[in-house]
Amino acid sequence: QSALTQPPSASGSPGQSVTISCTGTSSDIGGYNYVSWYQQHPGKAPKLMIYEVSKRPSGVPDRFSGSKSGNTASLTVSGLQAEDEADYYCYSYAGSNNLVFGGGTKLTVL
Amino acid sequence: QITLKESGPTLVKPTQTLTLTCTFSGFSLSTHGVGVGWIRQPPGKALEWLALIYWDDDKRYRTSLHTSLTITKDTSKNQVVLTMTNMDPVDTATYYCAHREGASRTFDIWGQGTMVTVSS
Repeated sequence: QSALTQPPSASGSPGQSVTISCTGTSSDIGGYNYVSWYQQHPGKAPKLMIYEVSKRPSGVPDRFSGSKSGNTASLTVSGLQAEDEADYYCYSYAGSNNLVFGGGTKLTVL
Repeated sequence: QITLKESGPTLVKPTQTLTLTCTFSGFSLSTHGVGVGWIRQPPGKALEWLALIYWDDDKRYRTSLHTSLTITKDTSKNQVVLTMTNMDPVDTATYYCAHREGASRTFDIWGQGTMVTVSS
């Protein structure tokens, strides 16, 4: 159950777009279309932003989008806003006994 | 509206057993496809899945911890309980329970979390 690989940090100025990558293997990201992304502000619980690679739960702004190519998933935040500054975690289903998270990426809005 | 809340001790001693309770509302754990999972997060570190129980009482555990974890449910009380034996200081973390949505296989709603410190 190895963690998915994310860059430790990412940044962008207000209004810009930022993409965060999440790399796994053919046993997790590459094998299933069950990739999710979570946003976590300091001291708060994770909040689901994207599920099934590219779907957005009700209430999540359409500035957040997800995609996948091979063993790598990506989260793009467009039109960056100050409130988007947070930690972001990817997650993938990898079989009934294997649920894996990424190491997290700290997104800074400059 | 789905809500979950974790409860349990904030401090346990090394080698002791930790028992955490997740009390939820807004859904039934007897509904096909539904599950409740436990995820933890050591201070300043990443999320780590621990265990998951399904509506049909099927149970899944993190492979590296499966000998120390037990997850159970009480459908009538809307509760899920996680026990973790032989606690160690490295188990110091915030422990979250979360609703597992069957079709999307994701944890869509999370509790606020409860911080557990392991120290003598």
